[in-house]
Amino acid sequence: LAKTTQPISMDSYEGQEVNITCSHNNIATNDYITWYQQFPSQGPRFIIQGYKTKVTNEVASLFIPADRKSSTLSLPRVSLSDTAVYYCLVGGVRGGATNKLIFGTGTLLAVQP
Amino acid sequence: GAVVSQHPSWVICKSGTSVKIECRSLDFQATTMFWYRQFPKQSLMLMATSNEGSKATYEQGVEKDKFLINHASLTLSTLTVTSAHPEDSSFYICSAFLAGVGNEQFFGPGTRLTVL
Repeated sequence: LAKTTQPISMDSYEGQEVNITCSHNNIATNDYITWYQQFPSQGPRFIIQGYKTKVTNEVASLFIPADRKSSTLSLPRVSLSDTAVYYCLVGGVRGGATNKLIFGTGTLLAVQP
Repeated sequence: GAVVSQHPSWVICKSGTSVKIECRSLDFQATTMFWYRQFPKQSLMLMATSNEGSKATYEQGVEKDKFLINHASLTLSTLTVTSAHPEDSSFYICSAFLAGVGNEQFFGPGTRLTVL
């Protein structure tokens, strides 16, 4: 299973754009890249998922270079409520088969006023 | 998105007793569910993969006789912590896998177990 590496923590201020980069050098051809957000004492919440290039939804963008060995989660104009731990995961076999996800350390994003 | 529930949301028990935690996929069928454990200020640790109609697959270091998993239907998986001890106190989280183009996992809200 691909191992992911992310910064342990990041600080930001309200209204700023935050970019969290994750390294996954051993990503497999069939692996998706998925980002989750977790607040204390809650289950992780899906943010965004991609396979290659760029994906955008209503809350974030995900940038994936051609070699797919890293990915960057971009959160536009963060607010205090975005303070949470963000996990980057690789896995989930393309085509429908199941695959377990292994969580890395995650990145604790602290947004200050 | 799909919803996964867990019951109970928290439980306190005496040492030596067994505790059952339920994980349900409310609006979709899940042939595969996963169980995680999370200690304070740590990441989620995968414990086992629960497959409907077959035996669970446990991760290395997880005692299958202590953490009993049953996945009797396409919407329900249960985790039973047998003979619980204080060191089993943790936050237990399940997820249900929705196969498709995105292959997304939906997580439950978690169950806080405290063993006295």
